[in-house]
Amino acid sequence: GQNIDQPTEMTATEGAIVQINCTYQTSGFNGLFWYQQHAGEAPTFLSYNVLDGLEEKGRFSSFLSRSKGYSYLLLKELQMKDSASYLCASRGYQKVTFGTGTKLQVIP
Amino acid sequence: EAGVTQFPSHSVIEKGQTVTLRCDPISGHDNLYWYRRVMGKEIKFLLHFVKESKQDESGMPNNRFLAERTGGTYSTLKVQPAELEDSGVYFCASRASTNYGYTFGSGTRLTVV
Repeated sequence: GQNIDQPTEMTATEGAIVQINCTYQTSGFNGLFWYQQHAGEAPTFLSYNVLDGLEEKGRFSSFLSRSKGYSYLLLKELQMKDSASYLCASRGYQKVTFGTGTKLQVIP
Repeated sequence: EAGVTQFPSHSVIEKGQTVTLRCDPISGHDNLYWYRRVMGKEIKFLLHFVKESKQDESGMPNNRFLAERTGGTYSTLKVQPAELEDSGVYFCASRASTNYGYTFGSGTRLTVV
């Protein structure tokens, strides 16, 4: 089966660092996605982790621990435009299962 | 490269009517997926095409939903007859077989009244 858990909402200050956690239980696990979705727009790809460890891409980093079924998305130097929903999604065989998303609000 | 295009962007229909949603994937992407997000809940998988064949339709809620992908290019998702609980945002995504990247369309917001 598939089960993904992430916080519903988070608030952080402009310029700060925020970590969004995600735990998953996925049969046939192949990898873990993070997507960003602004209201009314398509989810856009941020990262895809297959192996354990941290992958850094500019201000965004994503971490995966397969043994713990755990991932996090780290956003540094937060900007107001980073206010959005962040979707954790696990990939099983040929299928991606999404969490409910974490709505991040960046405040001045 | 053009992205995934969905049409219409919004649709408001009465309960019992029929609606057809269309998705044009990125050219050359064999894999096409339909997802649905009901308000306040997660994006849920509906079905997966590989070219014109249904690879997995385990997420289709019931037989009022019919998806097709004739010729392996664009896909349609028909809801007939629509019910109130069908309201939500229907996303389409496509993926090339050679990589893992899913590209999503902007979605069709369906409201059944």
